[in-house]
Amino acid sequence: GAGVSQTPSNKVTEKGKYVELRCDPISGHTALYWYRQSLGQGPEFLIYFQGTGAADDSGLPNDRFFAVRPEGSVSTLKIQRTERGDSAVYLCASSLGGNANTGELFFGEGSRLTVL
Amino acid sequence: LAKTTQPISMDSYEGQEVNITCSHNNIATNDYITWYQQFPSQGPRFIIQGYKTKVTNEVASLFIPADRKSSTLSLPRVSLSDTAVYYCLVGPMDSSYKLIFGSGTRLLVRP
Repeated sequence: GAGVSQTPSNKVTEKGKYVELRCDPISGHTALYWYRQSLGQGPEFLIYFQGTGAADDSGLPNDRFFAVRPEGSVSTLKIQRTERGDSAVYLCASSLGGNANTGELFFGEGSRLTVL
Repeated sequence: LAKTTQPISMDSYEGQEVNITCSHNNIATNDYITWYQQFPSQGPRFIIQGYKTKVTNEVASLFIPADRKSSTLSLPRVSLSDTAVYYCLVGPMDSSYKLIFGSGTRLLVRP
């Protein structure tokens, strides 16, 4: 597809379980971002990839959260030992990045995570 | 990154012009001003971006005074489908740029 694709769109899990959320960015976009959005709040920055490397992971809340982008395209956000407070919509975005960065990010529709 | 302040909510009626003002008193010389729109159950969508004076596109206009300490997003003749949350963001256009969202302005357009 032409846009950013995120799977699954909905995920319900139990406290303590492991979760993976996938993001397929727009082809040719070198920059990829993960955000988390709680109800009634703006998106909260988690991590930013430029190519395969995490250029800024300062938004990851703790070491239970980890993200990879091994080939510079698809990215996976991994959450270990999930807690109820992790429930949120996880948004992925991509952009041209690097010297072509215009500040225009293209967001997916998000993955809604519910931890019971 | 410069912090932004914008109204929590605004109400309007169909056909009216809506102006949403954002304050960014500590904006840096190399910072740009960007506005995003978000509908329920969707990711944010880029609306407009500017550095100074006025920028206009098919969706909106962005007015930035000379001191750049504030900016105003103008939506002409809103319709019900413009009901959304609007975010004002400020940051540099370099390779390290990351968007920092605030709580946004919830615009409700009534019939």
